[in-house]
Amino acid sequence: DTAVSQTPKYLVTQMGNDKSIKCEQNLGHDTMYWYKQDSKKFLKIMFSYNNKELIINETVPNRFSPKSPDKAHLNLHINSLELGDSAVYFCASSQDGDRLGEKLFFGSGTQLSVL
Amino acid sequence: RKEVEQDPGPFNVPEGATVAFNCTYSNSASQSFFWYRQDCRKEPKLLMSVYSSGNEDGRFTAQLNRASQYISLLIRDSKLSDSATYLCVVNPGSARQLTFGSGTQLTVLP
Repeated sequence: DTAVSQTPKYLVTQMGNDKSIKCEQNLGHDTMYWYKQDSKKFLKIMFSYNNKELIINETVPNRFSPKSPDKAHLNLHINSLELGDSAVYFCASSQDGDRLGEKLFFGSGTQLSVL
Repeated sequence: RKEVEQDPGPFNVPEGATVAFNCTYSNSASQSFFWYRQDCRKEPKLLMSVYSSGNEDGRFTAQLNRASQYISLLIRDSKLSDSATYLCVVNPGSARQLTFGSGTQLTVLP
């Protein structure tokens, strides 16, 4: 019954590899997000995506690419992993994305370690 | 200047204590404000929204000062279960633009 679920929970991989993180929400929300939480605990938005548009954060390297087969799923593909990509990645969703005061629902996070 | 700044702490307080956290934001156009709670190795969860008139939810009180661009969270009668990191979140326009502070760590001691 988890509202926002992401897999895997832990991901350990070598530099240069390509990996994916999957996310699914069963809340019927229109907007989904990927956030990165670094070692200093800052949560930074990477992407938001809804039926209408994909919003790309310009600070995110193009090695990161979101893919949304439908509005309930938003996967994150990462190519040519680098040491600095090590972080916790959170998927989240919200009802609409455009309204003030919207609550975000987060997945439990994927801890990525690049060796 | 960071968009959202918080004292990282840690705040170590005894059970039953009252503790307050402040958060400042730089974007004067910010329109909505929140406190999220994040337990160790868990996802953030909404604790409460912060309204202009101030609002209270049980032992938690949130206040907003637009003129000085800060928000605060007051926790009364601290419980062990309040131990967590409290994230100040500011929204200048839409949910897509939410800006998170780095969090204030609270440990409530028995």
